[in-house]
Amino acid sequence: LAKTTQPISMDSYEGQEVNITCSHNNIATNDYITWYQQFPSQGPRFIIQGYKTKVTNEVASLFIPADRKSSTLSLPRVSLSDTAVYYCLVGSDSNYQLIWGAGTKLIIKP
Amino acid sequence: ETGVTQTPRHLVMGMTNKKSLKCEQHLGHNAMYWYKQSAKKPLELMFVYNFKEQTENNSVPSRFSPECPNSSHLFLHLHTLQPEDSALYLCASSQDQGAGLDTQYFGPGTRLTVL
Repeated sequence: LAKTTQPISMDSYEGQEVNITCSHNNIATNDYITWYQQFPSQGPRFIIQGYKTKVTNEVASLFIPADRKSSTLSLPRVSLSDTAVYYCLVGSDSNYQLIWGAGTKLIIKP
Repeated sequence: ETGVTQTPRHLVMGMTNKKSLKCEQHLGHNAMYWYKQSAKKPLELMFVYNFKEQTENNSVPSRFSPECPNSSHLFLHLHTLQPEDSALYLCASSQDQGAGLDTQYFGPGTRLTVL
């Protein structure tokens, strides 16, 4: 079963690009990688999902190397409102085996 | 507003009490989930319902009892809980294309404290 590992916390400054990496060494062929954001007193919210290479949407990019054993969430030009906990999730497209990381607390400073 | 509501938002109960958590989704989804979130730990998937049928039960103690009367409502019945059960309980729903591929929409959670 895949296990996901991510840094406990990170700090950065407004306007910077932030990269958060998740390790998932035992990822299976049918597994997808998804990132969620969680603010205090709220449930997690979907950010981005990918299977391989690079995916980009209006808020983030997701980089997945060819071996898929890790993934990197990239947040361009962060602001104070990006302060939150970011979770990496590895899950199959054919069952309910969902492996969540413990979350990375990102603090953005002015 | 994610389209998933949970009540109550906060609950304090004694170990001998019986209480229920309620979740409702207004998104027309087919799958609903209960998660336990403890501080500094990964989210723990407890139960999954797909078209009202329970498809996952991840070795959850019997003092937690789920109920899904229809695809829009999900309950978690609690009885004789332990202090270590204190946590944030999150409900989520998804369209059901396969859990790893689905986008899950979460409610705000119920903060449970067991005395």
